[in-house]
Amino acid sequence: DAKTTQPTSMDCAEGRAANLPCNHSTISGNEYVYWYRQIHSQGPQYIIHGLKNNETNEMASLIITEDRKSSTLILPHATLRDTAVYYCIVRPRNAGKSTFGDGTTLTVKP
Amino acid sequence: DGGITQSPKYLFRKEGQNVTLSCEQNLNHDAMYWYRQDPGQGLRLIYYSQIVNDFQKGDIAEGYSVSREKKESFPLTVTSAQKNPTAFYLCASSIVARTMNTEAFFGQGTRLTVV
Repeated sequence: DAKTTQPTSMDCAEGRAANLPCNHSTISGNEYVYWYRQIHSQGPQYIIHGLKNNETNEMASLIITEDRKSSTLILPHATLRDTAVYYCIVRPRNAGKSTFGDGTTLTVKP
Repeated sequence: DGGITQSPKYLFRKEGQNVTLSCEQNLNHDAMYWYRQDPGQGLRLIYYSQIVNDFQKGDIAEGYSVSREKKESFPLTVTSAQKNPTAFYLCASSIVARTMNTEAFFGQGTRLTVV
């Protein structure tokens, strides 16, 4: 699986958009970008995934650059409950196992 | 409700004892995984299984053993050979399909403390 680089931590004001970046410069053609989040002491939760087009679901939006070397997860209106560690992972779509880095700790502040 | 269940949530054991962590899923998923998480770090893959009666080592399999006798169950044994067993253990499952998305569903974890 390709390696990813994420900032260690970020802050966001409640109600504002949270933009979480991820670099994956060695991503290969068949690898997708997946995002998970982990609220303290719980199991990770799947958020969204994409290949090259931008994606949106009820939780978030995923913007992938044209060269696919980086992506941004957007939480459009962050709430206090969005405080968590966010993991960016790249892997083939049909490969269930994932390599998790240390992720970005997002703290949403009132 | 469908889901993945780990038990117990907290587990204490004396050093030198083997301990088995339970993981059960009713999602009809073929694949199951065990991860270990240490404080402030990401998840590391211990073992995974894509089909009953078959499993593969992950990145940190030493000191651990698993079995996959039933599709629904993937127990993890932490043996006395594991040098630093105290950690948060997470089980996950996913479908296996060549052309479909295979996001993993995680249990709530078991926090093992060895004293």
